[in-house]
Amino acid sequence: EDKVVQSPLSLVVHEGDTVTLNCSYEVTNFRSLLWYKQEKKAPTFLFMLTSSGIEKKSGRLSSILDKKELFSILNITATQTGDSAVYLCAAPSGTYKYIFGTGTRLKVLA
Amino acid sequence: NAGVTQTPKFQVLKTGQSMTLQCAQDMNHNSMYWYRQDPGMGLRLIYYSASEGTTDKGEVPNGYNVSRLNKREFSLRLESAAPSQTSVYFCATLGGGRTEAFFGQGTRLTVV
Repeated sequence: EDKVVQSPLSLVVHEGDTVTLNCSYEVTNFRSLLWYKQEKKAPTFLFMLTSSGIEKKSGRLSSILDKKELFSILNITATQTGDSAVYLCAAPSGTYKYIFGTGTRLKVLA
Repeated sequence: NAGVTQTPKFQVLKTGQSMTLQCAQDMNHNSMYWYRQDPGMGLRLIYYSASEGTTDKGEVPNGYNVSRLNKREFSLRLESAAPSQTSVYFCATLGGGRTEAFFGQGTRLTVV
């Protein structure tokens, strides 16, 4: 059974800190891994990663994939209170399924 | 252009009652999904539909049924609600050659 596992489950930091969120996966016929941010409502898309070693970057957020070790990390530098959210990683599984990890709940304190 | 629309946004049911959660998309996507989200559990797939006329079970299908009425609509039915079905439910779509999913705003369901 394909699976996506995230760690840590929750994290509390202070503004200005840098955080690293982890996502490991076991997916047959792996195609891509995606990161989402979920605040109060629906998840919103952050990054899609398909190739090892190529960093995707958007402002203070960046992500990279390691297809040999089967994991991805999401880095957030100079965290702000607005970064407080649940961060989810996901992967297509099989032909049409789409599975998520448990999420990491990040709280950034002022 | 609404994207993915779920109704209702909130619902309280008594144990044993039935209800249908509605999802409609105007993105012309083939694939549609129903997830539930519980604290510390991420998003768990209940059912999915690869295309109009097909549905398949996900990780946690027990107690639910679905209908893919047409390309736009994918409904989730609880025939006899149980307190264990208290959750936030999300509908999502995928298609157009893209891999990121698009979500509805969620339905918060409480079964008492």
